[in-house]
Amino acid sequence: AAGVIQSPRHLIKEKRETATLKCYPIPRHDTVYWYQQGPGQDPQFLISFYEKMQSDKGSIPDRFSAQQFSDYHSELNMSSLELGDSALYFCASSQDSYGYTFGSGTRLTVV
Amino acid sequence: AQSVTQLDSHVSVSEGTPVLLRCNYSSSYSPSLFWYVQHPNKGLQLLLKYTSAATLVKGINGFEAEFKKSETSFHLTKPSAHMSDAAEYFCVVSLSNFGNEKLTFGTGTRLTIIP
Repeated sequence: AAGVIQSPRHLIKEKRETATLKCYPIPRHDTVYWYQQGPGQDPQFLISFYEKMQSDKGSIPDRFSAQQFSDYHSELNMSSLELGDSALYFCASSQDSYGYTFGSGTRLTVV
Repeated sequence: AQSVTQLDSHVSVSEGTPVLLRCNYSSSYSPSLFWYVQHPNKGLQLLLKYTSAATLVKGINGFEAEFKKSETSFHLTKPSAHMSDAAEYFCVVSLSNFGNEKLTFGTGTRLTIIP
C-alpha cells in the first residue's frame, strides 16, 4: 500500500541557509500535517492544510512557511536556519479527518 | 528495531463508562512511550508520556497509562468517558540511540463515544 513519502530523508544545511522539505500524502488524502521533533523533545505540531488551505497552525516560527499544492503534496520552507532547527520533521496525511498515516520523516541537521 | 501495535482500530464506549485503548510495543532498548490524541482537523496533542520513571503515568483530561514491561504494553485508560474524548488516539514509541531519535507511530485507534 502507498505510504506518506517525505523527501529528502536526510538534509544537512549551514546556518542562515534555506531548506525545503517535501511531503507526498497518500493518494486521495486531503489533509497534510507537519511536525517537528527536536533531540530529546516531544513532537510539536507546526501546521496543517486541508484542501490546499491552511487549517490549523501550531508553534511554527515566522521563518518557516508551508503550502499545499494542487496535487496535494506539501512543502515546508525554512529560511535563515538556526542550529536549533536541527530536528526530525515528519508529516502525516489523512482523509476526512481520520485515518492518519505518518511519514518516516526528514532529519535536518544545521551546522 | 522497534514497533508499536494498537490492537483496536476502532473502540466505541458509552458516555460515563470506562475507556481502554490497547497498545503493545517492541523495542531492543528501553523506550519512551507516548499517547497522543488527534481531534478532527487538529494537530497532535500529547496526553501523557513514560520515560522510565513511574510506571503509572497520569496525563491530561483524566487519562492515564501503565507501563508493563513484562507484557510490553502501555494501555491507555480513563475511568469515565466524555463526549469530548471522541478522537483518534496514537501510541508512539521513541527510541534514542546515541543521540538519534527514532519515532514510531501506531496506526491509531478511533474512539467513538455513544451518548
